[in-house]
Amino acid sequence: DAGVTQSPTHLIKTRGQQVTLRCSPKSGHDTVSWYQQALGQGPQFIFQYYEEEERQRGNFPDRFSGHQFPNYSSELNVNALLLGDSALYLCASSSLGTGSYEQYFGPGTRLTVT
Amino acid sequence: AQKVTQAQTEISVVEKEDVTLDCVYETRDTTYYLFWYKQPPSGELVFLIRRNSFDEQNEISGRYSWNFQKSTSSFNFTITASQVVDSAVYFCALSEAVLREYGNKLVFGAGTILRVKS
Repeated sequence: DAGVTQSPTHLIKTRGQQVTLRCSPKSGHDTVSWYQQALGQGPQFIFQYYEEEERQRGNFPDRFSGHQFPNYSSELNVNALLLGDSALYLCASSSLGTGSYEQYFGPGTRLTVT
Repeated sequence: AQKVTQAQTEISVVEKEDVTLDCVYETRDTTYYLFWYKQPPSGELVFLIRRNSFDEQNEISGRYSWNFQKSTSSFNFTITASQVVDSAVYFCALSEAVLREYGNKLVFGAGTILRVKS
């Protein structure tokens, strides 16, 4: 049973550039959430997708956008990168459709903005 | 508003000692869910437990146990006979009542670094 997968593992970008991160949920899950974890801090909720719609959003600017595909996989896009966007980006999957609320996390994508 | 406080930034113990990680939460909802996650040096968050607000029964799983007390808004985690492999960052998290239309975000505490020395 494959768990949550994320790609790429690491990424280095320059200020002002755009980045796309990808996530495939755990088998049987239909919901994907994205979190940003700065060094030494707890994860911060970015947004959650269910049925290809953004269901909830945290306090992140519009530079952060996402998408969920019919196969439940998801992308996180960040435009106009800032140095402060450097962080570990975690994807989590769950199943709102079946009432399974535990969120299972992937290994994360480490984004460095220079 | 939801808030989770983990007042212990870092704890160091010697192997085989018992250790308790504290978690205090704030929420206006009467129905909510509490979670504990472990983040080893590899970085992946590992789900440990979920607790519903209407179930205050304590739970034990091997060397792990959880004490949920609504009266003090606390959900503490105890590791008995700690081992070096328990070294990690532990996060407590809160999710308010879930509606499919609105989703369920997790609000995390700042985490507690646990170092177990041999």
